[in-house]
Amino acid sequence: KQEVTQIPAALSVPEGENLVLNCSFTDSAIYNLQWFRQDPGKGLTSLLLIQSSQREQTSGRLNASLDKSSGRSTLYIAASQPGDSATYLCAVRNAGGTSYGKLTFGQGTILTVHP
Amino acid sequence: GAVVSQHPSRVICKSGTSVKIECRSLDFQATTMFWYRQFPKQSLMLMATSNEGSKATYEQGVEKDKFLINHASLTLSTLTVTSAHPEDSSFYICSARGDRGYHEQFFGPGTRLTVL
Repeated sequence: KQEVTQIPAALSVPEGENLVLNCSFTDSAIYNLQWFRQDPGKGLTSLLLIQSSQREQTSGRLNASLDKSSGRSTLYIAASQPGDSATYLCAVRNAGGTSYGKLTFGQGTILTVHP
Repeated sequence: GAVVSQHPSRVICKSGTSVKIECRSLDFQATTMFWYRQFPKQSLMLMATSNEGSKATYEQGVEKDKFLINHASLTLSTLTVTSAHPEDSSFYICSARGDRGYHEQFFGPGTRLTVL
């Protein structure tokens, strides 16, 4: 059964810092990995999607990497801003097992960027 | 980008009543829709998957008679919580996947259900 773990569970940084969020998964049979942002009481906003054949994706100040063989992904946020404060969720789309085709989510990292 | 809407955004109901939540894909055809449930400070748990015109497939432990899902068209899915009880209070989020590439799922804004 696929398990997704995110570290750290919470992170508080001053504005301007570069930071890294980590995601690991136990089963490397995946189609892709997505990073989402969730604001309190809101739905999910897709930030980046990395296909299993890709190593990284970039969007603005965000860069996500994927090492499928080791079951790891990182989300790098450059020059953090208070508006980046949110919960960041990582999810993998399974390519095998009982969860075939479905997303498995991590528990999220709660990010606080203070001015 | 692809937009998924949900209605209502918040609903408060009395115990024993039924509540319907709508999920619409606004600018794409959703061949598959997903319903998730999220408890406070927890991640999303998949409740069921539905394909247009087919019966929904429920995850283990989810009562199909309590959570009725209908995916009547390529742009609309509904979740009906029947005979709601306080323990059904939660944040319900729908997601849609369709004809856009790379199996990307797009999520709705969620519906906060409170059962008194």
